[in-house]
Amino acid sequence: QKEVEQDPGPLSVPEGAIVSLNCTYSNSAFQYFMWYRQYSRKGPELLMYTYSSGNKEDGRFTAQVDKSSKYISLFIRDSQPSDSATYLCAMSSGTYKYIFGTGTRLKVLA
Amino acid sequence: NAGVTQTPKFQVLKTGQSMTLQCAQDMNHNSMYWYRQDPGMGLRLIYYSASEGTTDKGEVPNGYNVSRLNKREFSLRLESAAPSQTSVYFCASSVDGGNQPQHFGDGTRLSIL
Repeated sequence: QKEVEQDPGPLSVPEGAIVSLNCTYSNSAFQYFMWYRQYSRKGPELLMYTYSSGNKEDGRFTAQVDKSSKYISLFIRDSQPSDSATYLCAMSSGTYKYIFGTGTRLKVLA
Repeated sequence: NAGVTQTPKFQVLKTGQSMTLQCAQDMNHNSMYWYRQDPGMGLRLIYYSASEGTTDKGEVPNGYNVSRLNKREFSLRLESAAPSQTSVYFCASSVDGGNQPQHFGDGTRLSIL
């Protein structure tokens, strides 16, 4: 079993839809959680960073962490074609070794 | 702001050749990392440098060496390239250790024939 599981997609939604992206994990020591967006042929770009459980909102993006269920989510409201990318979750227990999900490909249709 | 800069962007090598991938960051970060990204495998840590003067192995260090040249620069060397090392290589940096988010460069696409 992988430490972090992420549905690879692709996920296709119409413009304006609410998108839900998810990761599950097995290591209860993870405390720091991140979401990255990666456009084709580019490096991952940090979107959200949260510590422990709870919600964090930044514009159209909301990150949720449920440590009891070992489940994290990223919600995108009013999705735009420019949101079409691969979304990676990442987590750390506080060491230098981050664990990344394999990414979910999202396509927002105009 | 340049952030994390990687050179070259593309490279084709023959089996057995050597090369060095360069990475530089201008954010005054202490920690730097090298990852490889393969389809269906996600990002896997090759080596990291917690601070200037230190380096440590990650998940997949075999066949690679690194040098933390100074606080800004962290290079990755393939001594004798193998086809299994065909991948996209990303350099990242963070202020400090595992409780800080990492910032990535745009990668080096490496093909080994």
